[in-house]
Amino acid sequence: AQSVTQLGSHVSVSEGALVLLRCNYSSSVPPYLFWYVQYPNQGLQLLLKYTTGATLVKGINGFEAEFKKSETSFHLTKPSAHMSDAAEYFCAVKENTGFQKLVFGTGTRLLVSP
Amino acid sequence: GAVVSQHPSRVICKSGTSVKIECRSLDFQATTMFWYRQFPKQSLMLMATSNEGSKATYEQGVEKDKFLINHASLTLSTLTVTSAHPEDSSFYICSAPKAGGQETQYFGPGTRLLVL
Repeated sequence: AQSVTQLGSHVSVSEGALVLLRCNYSSSVPPYLFWYVQYPNQGLQLLLKYTTGATLVKGINGFEAEFKKSETSFHLTKPSAHMSDAAEYFCAVKENTGFQKLVFGTGTRLLVSP
Repeated sequence: GAVVSQHPSRVICKSGTSVKIECRSLDFQATTMFWYRQFPKQSLMLMATSNEGSKATYEQGVEKDKFLINHASLTLSTLTVTSAHPEDSSFYICSAPKAGGQETQYFGPGTRLLVL
């Protein structure tokens, strides 16, 4: 069974600073990995995903993540935070076989201060 | 991209009544849809998998007689909360994978349910 661990329920950064949101996963088969963002009272928007191929994945809004199999990690980064990046971020894992369900981490709230 | 809508976006009802929430895939067909529940400041918990033309698959601990799911067509799934109680108040979100991009689920905007 898969599981996802997101370290840190809250991460605070200053505007313009590096954003690093951590995600570690466990999966018995090669995984598909996702980062979603959720703004208050809204659904989830896909930021980026890793399925196969290049392990450094670029997504929307300047975010990127790197799949590191040896570390079972898929950390999300952004070089320079904007105020508009303040939101809840969820890491999720899925088996790469058919329509298997997504398993979500507990989420990390990103706070951006001026 | 792919668009998933939900209706209503917000509903307030009295305890004991039933509430129906619709999830539609607007520009693609979805033989499978997923229903999640999210409590304040918590993660999404999968409630059930909705399958077009067959019975839904419920996660452990989810009462299938309380949360009725119907997948009437390739673009519509409904979740009915029967005999709602205040503890059912939550944010309900649906998602659907798009054919050809099975690994990605597209999420609806969510429905906020408040049971008084």
